[in-house]
Amino acid sequence: GESVGLHLPTLSVQEGDNSIINCAYSNSASDYFIWYKQESGKGPQFIIDIRSNMDKRQGQRVTVLLNKTVKHLSLQIAATQPGDSAVYFCAENKSGGSNYKLTFGKGTLLTVNP
Amino acid sequence: GAGVSQSPSNKVTEKGKDVELRCDPISGHTALYWYRQSLGQGLEFLIYFQGNSAPDKSGLPSDRFSAERTGGSVSTLTIQRTQQEDSAVYLCASSLGRVTGELFFGEGSRLTVL
Repeated sequence: GESVGLHLPTLSVQEGDNSIINCAYSNSASDYFIWYKQESGKGPQFIIDIRSNMDKRQGQRVTVLLNKTVKHLSLQIAATQPGDSAVYFCAENKSGGSNYKLTFGKGTLLTVNP
Repeated sequence: GAGVSQSPSNKVTEKGKDVELRCDPISGHTALYWYRQSLGQGLEFLIYFQGNSAPDKSGLPSDRFSAERTGGSVSTLTIQRTQQEDSAVYLCASSLGRVTGELFFGEGSRLTVL
């Protein structure tokens, strides 16, 4: 069935290091992907998105890479800071229909050690 | 406020009771979503409202769950005859309703069924 999953459920990094969070998706028809960050006790917050006609998109300290051949998505965080500690979710959607409904993965817990 | 507002933030109820959870979306957002998040899990889609279209109820886990959206704004998620497995954080999100774009989440309503 359709699913969005993650390779690593937890990731621990040192402050200042770069972080890479991975995500696999199985629906080859998905053409829009989003990364969300969820801090403890809060709702998810948008980080960055990417459409399937791109393979890379950069934001502030974050880069999303999309490899459609192997259906893999990654989020790179540069110079990771303690405030980056959170659960990170990837989500996918297939556009073109009348509904817009994101399918979320289980999330990766990122812990940044000072 | 300017964000998505949910109430109550915490609800403890006894098994068998009915509960209502409220979501006040961002003004002007035509799309409204309910997701459920169990402890340490990802976001499970429940229901999606888009303008005056019929809602997408495909994620509701049983007929004990229902939701309505009055006047295209406030939404109420109702769970009848609550069970312990209903314990979770119920997240509401709204968006401009485009095929692609950011969902803005509230902070959730944490439901505990004893």
